[in-house]
Amino acid sequence: SQQGEEDPQALSIQEGENATMNCSYKTSINNLQWYRQNSGRGLVHLILIRSNEREKHSGRLRVTLDTSKKSSSLLITASRAADTASYFCATVLLNDYKLSFGAGTTVTVRA
Amino acid sequence: SQTIHQWPATLVQPVGSPLSLECTVEGTSNPNLYWYRQAAGRGLQLLFYSVGIGQISSEVPQNLSASRPQDRQFILSSKKLLLSDSGFYLCAWSVLAHQQFFGPGTRLTVL
Repeated sequence: SQQGEEDPQALSIQEGENATMNCSYKTSINNLQWYRQNSGRGLVHLILIRSNEREKHSGRLRVTLDTSKKSSSLLITASRAADTASYFCATVLLNDYKLSFGAGTTVTVRA
Repeated sequence: SQTIHQWPATLVQPVGSPLSLECTVEGTSNPNLYWYRQAAGRGLQLLFYSVGIGQISSEVPQNLSASRPQDRQFILSSKKLLLSDSGFYLCAWSVLAHQQFFGPGTRLTVL
């Protein structure tokens, strides 16, 4: 069964705007990871945030983690057309190494 | 640097025919290896994972099997394909609970 659930399922924004998507999960985690998938391609790792971390940045990406609410968010600032993709959160449970993926958020950035 | 190869990129097979998808990793030793399937517009479902040569764990009962004959080779097989085996198959590797690195995927259509 899937551990994570992303919200919204789809998001359409204008180039230059920010995009925010959320992920909720059910059980305690070792870490939470965000991946991007361009249509028909493999997944690319974006950020890993550990359970004892609250926020991480990578370029235009900002990830937060709230373990008390079992939720995470991914913010893409100043979006570009190249950010058009599906974004997935995935969790690694305590004492485990397997990833459990959500169904993803499809982001469309309009020029 | 590490690279992961998957082939073929696309495959069209008749129902009842056998299947063999191959995944190889370069530039790392003793990786954890994973096979996922992705239905259209959905997240990834973990099918098999392996922590070492000859060690295969199955996540879901199905018509498929996996083998790891060498440290950096992971094979997904079926003796007789079903229509429901159609999908996008992704191989990935990781070191323990860290980020996973994905191959380019194989698009399988069973007719």
